[in-house]
Amino acid sequence: DVKVTQSSRYLVKRTGEKVFLECVQDMDHENMFWYRQDPGLGLRLIYFSYDVKMKEKGDIPEGYSVSREKKERFSLILESASTNQTSMYLCASSRTRNEAFFGQGTRLTVV
Amino acid sequence: KNQVEQSPQSLIILEGKNCTLQCNYTVSPFSNLRWYKQDTGRGPVSLTIMTFSENTKSNGRYTATLDADTKQSSLHITASQLSDSASYICVVSEASGYSTLTFGKGTMLLVSP
Repeated sequence: DVKVTQSSRYLVKRTGEKVFLECVQDMDHENMFWYRQDPGLGLRLIYFSYDVKMKEKGDIPEGYSVSREKKERFSLILESASTNQTSMYLCASSRTRNEAFFGQGTRLTVV
Repeated sequence: KNQVEQSPQSLIILEGKNCTLQCNYTVSPFSNLRWYKQDTGRGPVSLTIMTFSENTKSNGRYTATLDADTKQSSLHITASQLSDSASYICVVSEASGYSTLTFGKGTMLLVSP
């Protein structure tokens, strides 16, 4: 079974803090994704990566950056957290571009 | 623009009853369609995947159908259980491009005792 592990289930951060969300997958997948999920809006793609050190902007990249230094690890960075970034963050990985295996999610609250 | 519309937004049924969730999409060219189950506070988990040539696929009490001509899919849940209470998300994959997944907003199902 594919295992996608996100470093935290719950996080509470203060406005202006730099926040790191970590994601690790154990299936040697090339593709990794970061989504956020908000009520009434569904899942929205923030960033994705198809190879080490490679990144592409998704639909809502503003206020976020990513890092992929190793194939198994994909990090999402909030440079200066704001209250409108309070959300559920979901990491996913896949071997092909038309599938997604999700982690358990990180519920981030920015106060 | 690719879109996936799900209905109803939410649904309450009694334990033991059946229900059907709907998904309409405009994604083209079509690659596959997945139904995910997402428990509250958890990540989505894939229930079924259907390609263009498949019109029915089952996973236990879950049966998905696909009509590629009308671009519609349904997820039928038989003999519902309390543990079926979750959000069900329809995801359609495009056969080309980089960011190829289009997500529906989900149907929130509550199974009441």
